[in-house]
This record gives sequence, C-alpha cells and structure tokens, in this order.
Amino acid sequence: EAQVTQNPRYLITVTGKKLTVTCSQNMNHEYMSWYRQDPGLGLRQIYYSMNVEVTDKGDVPEGYKVSRKEKRNFPLILESPSPNQTSLYFCASRGLARTDTQYFGPGTRLTVL
Amino acid sequence: DAKTTQPPSMDCAEGRAANLPCNHSTISGNEYVYWYRQIHSQGPQYIIHGLKNNETNEMASLIITEDRKSSTLILPHATLRDTAVYYCIVRADNQAGTALIFGKGTTLSVSS
Repeated sequence: EAQVTQNPRYLITVTGKKLTVTCSQNMNHEYMSWYRQDPGLGLRQIYYSMNVEVTDKGDVPEGYKVSRKEKRNFPLILESPSPNQTSLYFCASRGLARTDTQYFGPGTRLTVL
Repeated sequence: DAKTTQPPSMDCAEGRAANLPCNHSTISGNEYVYWYRQIHSQGPQYIIHGLKNNETNEMASLIITEDRKSSTLILPHATLRDTAVYYCIVRADNQAGTALIFGKGTTLSVSS
C-alpha cells in the first residue's frame, strides 16, 4: 500500500530539547516536503527536497532543519524547540511527473512547553 | 497559481449528492484544478484533478465549465465520513517543486 508514515504521531516536549520527527515514503518519490498547520493560518511549507541531498527552504523554515540522505526518508529536526513551534506537522511526497499528486502522512501533533 | 474562491461551509444530507463549487476566474491555460480534502486533523487526501474535461474516479466527479473559470466537485452519495474541509487548488503543470497552496476551503458537514 502506498503510504507516507510519520513518527511520532504525538509528542510533548520542553523548550530547548532537540527532537526529530521522522518521515518515510514507500512510493520511490523524488519530492518530499514538510508542512505545518496552525489555526487560521492553514498549511504552510517548511522545507522541501527534490531528491537525495537536495533540500530547500519553504515559507517558514526558521527553527527547523531537514536532511535527505536516502530517497525514502526526510526527517524534520528541531534543534532547540520553542513554544511557537507547537503545531500539527505533515510530511508529504510526490513524483516529479507534471500532474503527480501529493500524498500526505497522518500528521504529528507537537506541543512544546 | 491562480486564486480560488470557495464558500466557507456547506451542509448535505447523507445519501444525497454534495456539490462543492469553486471559482478560479484567473486560471491560465496550463493550470489544472485539483481537489483535496482534510478530515479533521488528518493529512490532506487527494481526490481528483482535471484540466478542461470532466473527470470521474471512484471518489468523485469534477465538472469544469467550458471557460474554465469555475468547477464543481461532486460527491454522488455523501456519507458521514465525507465530512471534511475540501480544498480547490489551481496549479500549473510545471511546478513540481513548489508547495501546494491550501486556501481556507469549504467545510462540508454531512448529517443523517
């Protein structure tokens, strides 16, 4: 079954404690990205990657890092989380054909105290 | 990407067809109309897309007007599980690397 998986699904942490949210896809997609969703602000892109070792900033990259060492994985790293990073996070992937659709993961609800 | 306009909310009775409209009057010739939905706090889910012809799949039908300035997503027999926010997105076919722009969408409430 084609899917994007994220872990953990829920996380409560404290300010400054480094954390990683993993994302993996089984569709051999080149493109992967991270979004955050906040009430009233909709979905905003944090980072994206067009292929292995190729990453770029989205609309709200401050405070986040990513890496793309393997095609299937695209972890999101918060080196020093702050309360304003409390949000619902989604990983997504797609192929690079013109009308390929995006597949989204189930989401990670992060609370930073 | 062209801007889209959708009604903020709609209601539908279970078993009836849900018709969700979207206006995209500034759409360009190479821009497709995509529909996604998001069931409460889950990841957005692709429904259907089209360029100018009407499209149908196992989930829904997409009707695009001849001038392409508006479209309608049709869920032929809505169920309670179709309650979700529905997003109409217009996107060019050469933007593989750019983010999907989700607007506010239409909140569809299906009731029994």
